[in-house]
Amino acid sequence: KAGVTQTPRYLIKTRGQQVTLSCSPISGHRSVSWYQQTPGQGLQFLFEYFSETQRNKGNFPGRFSGRQFSNSRSEMNVSTLELGDSALYLCASKSRTSDGDTQYFGPGTRLTVL
Amino acid sequence: AQSVTQLDSQVPVFEEAPVELRCNYSSSVSVYLFWYVQYPNQGLQLLLKYLSGSTLVESINGFEAEFNKSQTSFHLRKPSVHISDTAEYFCAVSSSAAGGSYIPTFGRGTSLIVHP
Repeated sequence: KAGVTQTPRYLIKTRGQQVTLSCSPISGHRSVSWYQQTPGQGLQFLFEYFSETQRNKGNFPGRFSGRQFSNSRSEMNVSTLELGDSALYLCASKSRTSDGDTQYFGPGTRLTVL
Repeated sequence: AQSVTQLDSQVPVFEEAPVELRCNYSSSVSVYLFWYVQYPNQGLQLLLKYLSGSTLVESINGFEAEFNKSQTSFHLRKPSVHISDTAEYFCAVSSSAAGGSYIPTFGRGTSLIVHP
């Protein structure tokens, strides 16, 4: 099976702009989660989508939003970018089988806000 | 609430030496435990996991971890490291969240640096 894919891999934006990141999960996985990784805060959970519905949400401001499509692909949007939004954004998919909700990660999108 | 503590932010070791990366967790319910590895400019790769059954779990590249419920630990070990093991290692604990989904909490990571 193909792994989790994320596009784009690298992105440079300026403060105040908005950005959309895309994630395609492993085939058959219906859950997609997003994480923000920074040197200072480590890995922080943003939100999880399952069957096009947000199932769980982390402690991030409303500028961070997401959605999931019927084919399980997911997008994450950040509006009014701030310098502190510079981070590696990771997407993970999982399947609730005997796999124990194991998350499989994509390569990430490196976002730089100038 | 669940939390994960990786006691060492950096572990330097010489090639072919043994290594242990420590991980302690806290959770009030049954948990799943994971170790992930991250190489520079890449995402996280699952190294091994404990779901149930045998408390000793192994990966295909020689790492092993032992679930110790009484000490709430899940330390990662390898008897002989290689230069290519240099990476960031993350311990994660996962327990049931709202909606029945398991959301993992990650430790801050341990940077394993293998010297020749």
